[in-house]
Amino acid sequence: EVQLVESGGGLVQPGGSLRLSCAAFGFTFSNYAMQWVRQAPGKGLEYVSAISSSADRTFYANSVKGRFTVSRDNSKNTLYLQMDSLRAEDMAVYYCVRDRGGYCSGGSCYPGSWFDPWGQGTLVTVSS
Amino acid sequence: NFMLTQPHSVSESPGKTVTITCTRSSGSIASYFVQWCQQRPGSAPITVIYENNRRPSGVPGRFSGSIDSSSNSASLTISGLKTEDEADYYCQSYDSSNENVVFGGGTKLTVL
Repeated sequence: EVQLVESGGGLVQPGGSLRLSCAAFGFTFSNYAMQWVRQAPGKGLEYVSAISSSADRTFYANSVKGRFTVSRDNSKNTLYLQMDSLRAEDMAVYYCVRDRGGYCSGGSCYPGSWFDPWGQGTLVTVSS
Repeated sequence: NFMLTQPHSVSESPGKTVTITCTRSSGSIASYFVQWCQQRPGSAPITVIYENNRRPSGVPGRFSGSIDSSSNSASLTISGLKTEDEADYYCQSYDSSNENVVFGGGTKLTVL
């Protein structure tokens, strides 16, 4: 079964750091671009970040650029999101998604916008 | 950059058909594929339509998608509504200008 399992969420003070992980099961992780999407309490979905299958390119929403870093370890089938300088507005459920859209070229696959599956999400609370 | 605009809410009776629209603010709706995802209360989203009009395995045939270049919009149509269809629905597409994914604001579907 194809599955994504996020972990690492929790309570952090403003200005603090947190690292999210997403473990992938049931598919060849290294063949797919991966993305992070978040949802603030009671709000809609917001794109956060993406990474190509070989990690040669990374992408960020303007709201997190310079503060968040996406990475992956294809040997461990795991996606990461390092979040630094956290703000109250970063408080959200963070979802890991496999990207089945995009395109492949030169041995790497790059993000599109078709997500399947979505992980169950991990909650990040930013509060003092 | 562009925005995807959806109605905040729609409601319809069981057994009926409902259509949710997603209008692109600039650039052509046909530039990049549109996807739709469903999010039931307290659950993670799942994709119900990809590449404008294709259904992932396991999604009922009652769900269909389309795009209309004349109105620069995409639509999700759900026929034979069931109470289990009550959820938030989001459209999404790709913005090549900043290489980001764009989500619509979401539409709350009430089946009553």
